[in-house]
Amino acid sequence: AQSVTQLDSQVPVFEEAPVELRCNYSSSVSVYLFWYVQYPNQGLQLLLKYLSGSTLVESINGFEAEFNKSQTSFHLRKPSVHISDTAEYFCAVGRSSNTGKLIFGQGTTLQVKP
Amino acid sequence: DGGITQSPKYLFRKEGQNVTLSCEQNLNHDAMYWYRQDPGQGLRLIYYSQIVNDFQKGDIAEGYSVSREKKESFPLTVTSAQKNPTAFYLCASSSASGYTGELFFGEGSRLTVL
Repeated sequence: AQSVTQLDSQVPVFEEAPVELRCNYSSSVSVYLFWYVQYPNQGLQLLLKYLSGSTLVESINGFEAEFNKSQTSFHLRKPSVHISDTAEYFCAVGRSSNTGKLIFGQGTTLQVKP
Repeated sequence: DGGITQSPKYLFRKEGQNVTLSCEQNLNHDAMYWYRQDPGQGLRLIYYSQIVNDFQKGDIAEGYSVSREKKESFPLTVTSAQKNPTAFYLCASSSASGYTGELFFGEGSRLTVL
């Protein structure tokens, strides 16, 4: 069975500091990996995804994540955060042979302080 | 614009009442999903449907029911049998063709039982 663990429930950080949100997964089959972002009282928006190819994937707003198969991790990083990055972030895993069922982690709340 | 519309955004109900949450998509996606979100627990799958007139239970289906009579619609009924229905409910969809595993989410419906 697949599972996803987000190691930190809350991550406080000052504006312009770097941040890493950690995600580990377990799966015996090939997987797709995702990071979603959720602003208060809204749905989830896709931030970035790993399907195949380069293990480093980037989003348009400066986030990046690296797929590490040996460590079964998909940590999310940003070198310099903004106040507007304050949100909840979810890591998710899906099987490459399945149609759409994703397993989500518990979520990490990123709190960016001025 | 293509997307997923959930209604109502906020809903209050008395104990013992059934309530139906609406989810409509115009993305021409084959698969649709209902997730429940509780603080600190991430998203948990209630039901999903990969084709019209067919659906499967997710991890927490007890006390819920769904129908899929049209490709674009996937309503969720929270019945009086659901013991703890107060939560944030998210509807999502995905495309089966050119599968990439990505889910597209609606804005959510917040149900409060008084």
